[in-house]
Amino acid sequence: SQKIEQNSEALNIQEGKTATLTCNYTNYSPAYLQWYRQDPGRGPVFLLLIRENEKEKRKERLKVTFDTTLKQSLFHITASQPADSATYLCAPDNYGQNFVFGPGTRLSVLP
Amino acid sequence: EAQVTQNPRYLITVTGKKLTVTCSQNMNHEYMSWYRQDPGLGLRQIYYSMNVEVTDKGDVPEGYKVSRKEKRNFPLILESPSPNQTSLYFCASSRRGTGDAYGYTFGSGTRLTVV
Repeated sequence: SQKIEQNSEALNIQEGKTATLTCNYTNYSPAYLQWYRQDPGRGPVFLLLIRENEKEKRKERLKVTFDTTLKQSLFHITASQPADSATYLCAPDNYGQNFVFGPGTRLSVLP
Repeated sequence: EAQVTQNPRYLITVTGKKLTVTCSQNMNHEYMSWYRQDPGLGLRQIYYSMNVEVTDKGDVPEGYKVSRKEKRNFPLILESPSPNQTSLYFCASSRRGTGDAYGYTFGSGTRLTVV
């Protein structure tokens, strides 16, 4: 069955550093991979989508890579700020069928 | 404002009493989906709909029903709620195009407690 793993349940980093979150998946060949941010008690908010034929996608301080050989996506937040503290979810996607979210990584950016 | 609206935000009910959680989107999205989120289990898909009158089971459909009679609405029905359906529920919608995908817009959530 499909399995999605995110590198750690929680990640603490100092303000100003780059946060790197990992998403690994098995038994799956997604056409896309999406990343979301979720704050406690609120719905996930879409951040970025990367296609299987794209190696890298950027949006402001965010960067996502997608390696279909390794079955892995990396999510980077540069110049991190305390306001970036949240849970980040990855979601491999095949047009909505079996659209499954990873367990999430809770990021804490310490001032 | 483009949004997905869920109601109610909070609901406490008793075992066996039928309930409906409504979901409506104003973005003309074809795709809608329901998820439940439980501590330690993450977000799990209950049902999804690729378009009007087209619905399909997700990973945890047991005990739930859905309908998609019109594009904007996708209600979640619990015919006979049980305590193990106590959870935080999210509705989501997305534009779908042939050969492409778009990010999902989520509702604010419905926190359901079944006693």
